[in-house]
Amino acid sequence: SSELTQDPAVSVALGQTVRITCQGDSLRSYYASWYQQKPGQAPVLVIYGKNNRPSGIPDRFSGSSSGNTASLTITGAQAEDEADYYCNSRDSSGHGVFGGGTKLTVL
Amino acid sequence: EVQLVQSGAEVKKPGESLKISCKGSGYSFTSYWIGWVRQMPGKGLEWMGIIYPGDSDTRYSPSFQGQVTISADKSISTAYLQWSSLKASDTAMYYCARHIVVVTAIRSNNWFDPWGQGTLVTVSS
Repeated sequence: SSELTQDPAVSVALGQTVRITCQGDSLRSYYASWYQQKPGQAPVLVIYGKNNRPSGIPDRFSGSSSGNTASLTITGAQAEDEADYYCNSRDSSGHGVFGGGTKLTVL
Repeated sequence: EVQLVQSGAEVKKPGESLKISCKGSGYSFTSYWIGWVRQMPGKGLEWMGIIYPGDSDTRYSPSFQGQVTISADKSISTAYLQWSSLKASDTAMYYCARHIVVVTAIRSNNWFDPWGQGTLVTVSS
C-alpha cells in the first residue's frame, strides 16, 4: 500500500475548478510533484516544488501544500485535462513513492 | 532537447533473463539521477529505484530490492533495468525518467522529468 493517499476518482464540470489531493506524513518534509497520464501515454510532469510548472504546462494547473496534504488545482478544467493524476514524494523511510492515482473525469 | 529513449517491447518466458535500456540525450547524463517506474496493467505507478550515473550510486524501493538490478553505462549515456529470472507478475510497462533532487533547509524536493516512452515487458509461458 502507498504511503501517499489520493482519492481514486474525482469529477468536474467543464470550465469549473477542481482540487486533487495527496495525503501523507512525509509531505511535511518533502514537496510533492504531480504527473498527468492519459491512456496509452507516458506520465508528464505538471507541477513540482512549492508551485512550479514545467515549460508547456498551462497556467490553469497550480500546486499547494499545507501540513500533510499536497494539492493540485485545475482552474477552468478543459476536456483535455481528463486523465489520471499521480502525486510523488518520499515515504517515511525516505524512499520514493507514488500515490495511488486519481482518475479525473471532465463532465 | 532533453530526451530519454527506451528499448523496444519484449516478450519472454518465465525464468528467462532480461535487460532493458534507457538512453539519455540533450543533457549531462552523469549529473542527474535516472529512475525506473513500473506500471502493471490497469494499475498505478510504482517507484522502483534510482541510479546516479556519475558514480553508480543506486537506491532501491524495499519492494524491488533483490528483485531487479539497476545499472548504468555513462560512456554511452544509458541506464538499464534487468531481471535474472522473470515471473509472470513482472508483466508491466516500465518507464525510465530523469530524477531531479533539490535539497533545501525548509523542504526537500524531487521530481521526474522527462520520461521515456516506456518499455512493455510481457512474461508468459
